[in-house]
Amino acid sequence: AQSVAQPEDQVNVAEGNPLTVKCTYSVSGNPYLFWYVQYPNRGLQFLLKYITGDNLVKGSYGFEAEFNKSQTSFHLKKPSALVSDSALYFCAAYNFNKFYFGSGTKLNVKP
Amino acid sequence: NAGVTQTPKFQVLKTGQSMTLQCAQDMNHNSMYWYRQDPGMGLRLIYYSASEGTTDKGEVPNGYNVSRLNKREFSLRLESAAPSQTSVYFCASSSLTGRDTADEQFFGPGTRLTVL
Repeated sequence: AQSVAQPEDQVNVAEGNPLTVKCTYSVSGNPYLFWYVQYPNRGLQFLLKYITGDNLVKGSYGFEAEFNKSQTSFHLKKPSALVSDSALYFCAAYNFNKFYFGSGTKLNVKP
Repeated sequence: NAGVTQTPKFQVLKTGQSMTLQCAQDMNHNSMYWYRQDPGMGLRLIYYSASEGTTDKGEVPNGYNVSRLNKREFSLRLESAAPSQTSVYFCASSSLTGRDTADEQFFGPGTRLTVL
């Protein structure tokens, strides 16, 4: 079965420190990979995507993600976290007209 | 542009009642999707429509039906609601998805459905 895993339900980080939110996938072929963010009582918003090429992808709000094919991972990163980054983050993989989402990771950035 | 709109925002149903969730997008997107979001389970695909005139089952289609009314509108129907269908429902659209490409999805604000 196709799946996307986000092994951490919650990540806590202090403001100004680097953050990483982990994602691994088990989707056939060469799926396209996405990160979305969800703020309370809102729909998901697109952050970045990996289609092909450079393994480091830059996206919105200073976020970036590192693709590792051998480890089938697509971790979200940011060099310096902001309190306003606190939200729910979802990793997703796309293949053959379907998107597969992870269960989400709650990011808490403390002042 | 309003993006993706959903109605209603909230709904309470009794077991066995039926209802239709409406979704519309004004971005001229080909593909539209319905998801449900449950705590700890992320988003699960219910149905999708890759293009106008086509619909396909997703991961959790049982108890639901959909209609792609035209390119803009994609509705989700619960024929006989059950408590297990209590969830937050999101509609999404994407400009072009297919075998060799994928664009990001744009999501609506969601519908919170409670089935008693």
